[in-house]
Amino acid sequence: AQTVTQSQPEMSVQEAETVTLSCTYDTSESDYYLFWYKQPPSRQMILVIRQEAYKQQNATENRFSVNFQKAAKSFSLKISDSQLGDAAMYFCAYRNSRTFGNKLVFGAGTILRVKS
Amino acid sequence: NAGVTQTPKFRVLKTGQSMTLLCAQDMNHEYMYWYRQDPGMGLRLIHYSVGEGTTAKGEVPDGYNVSRLKKQNFLLGLESAAPSQTSVYFCASEGTGQETQYFGPGTRLLVL
Repeated sequence: AQTVTQSQPEMSVQEAETVTLSCTYDTSESDYYLFWYKQPPSRQMILVIRQEAYKQQNATENRFSVNFQKAAKSFSLKISDSQLGDAAMYFCAYRNSRTFGNKLVFGAGTILRVKS
Repeated sequence: NAGVTQTPKFRVLKTGQSMTLLCAQDMNHEYMYWYRQDPGMGLRLIHYSVGEGTTAKGEVPDGYNVSRLKKQNFLLGLESAAPSQTSVYFCASEGTGQETQYFGPGTRLLVL
């Protein structure tokens, strides 16, 4: 079974600085997707970024980028120029691409605090 | 275009009571999911559906039933609520080939 591990329960960053959230996963599959979701205090799950395993190029969405290391099974999220609105719980998630309607496997989450 | 909506937003139940959580999506998505989120854990899949009239068990299905009579709706039922079902419940939907799930705002359920 696939597992996702987020080893940092909590992280802090100063406004305007850069922070990296870590995620590792375990799978025997070669074709899959990885995601970062943001959950602010409103509890809404917001998709931040997505990475297809077959793509070597790291995904980027504005201030958010990932460092995808397939051999090491590592998928970290870098937030540049941190803003107060980035404060939230961040979840790393994995899904297989082989079967229709595949579930997401989530890590336990990392709380990100942004200091002004 | 409301996306994924969930009803109700919050509910308190007594042990043994029943209730139904409603999830609706207006994106014509084929796939729908119910997850639960507990403190210190990520979301875990309860049940899912790959199309109208079909349902399947996820990781933690015990104590729950689901139905997908209409493509846009996915209902989650608790026949006899237990305190262990106190949680936040999220519905998600996904279009064919999109490989990305979109979540509703969540329902907070407290079972006393």
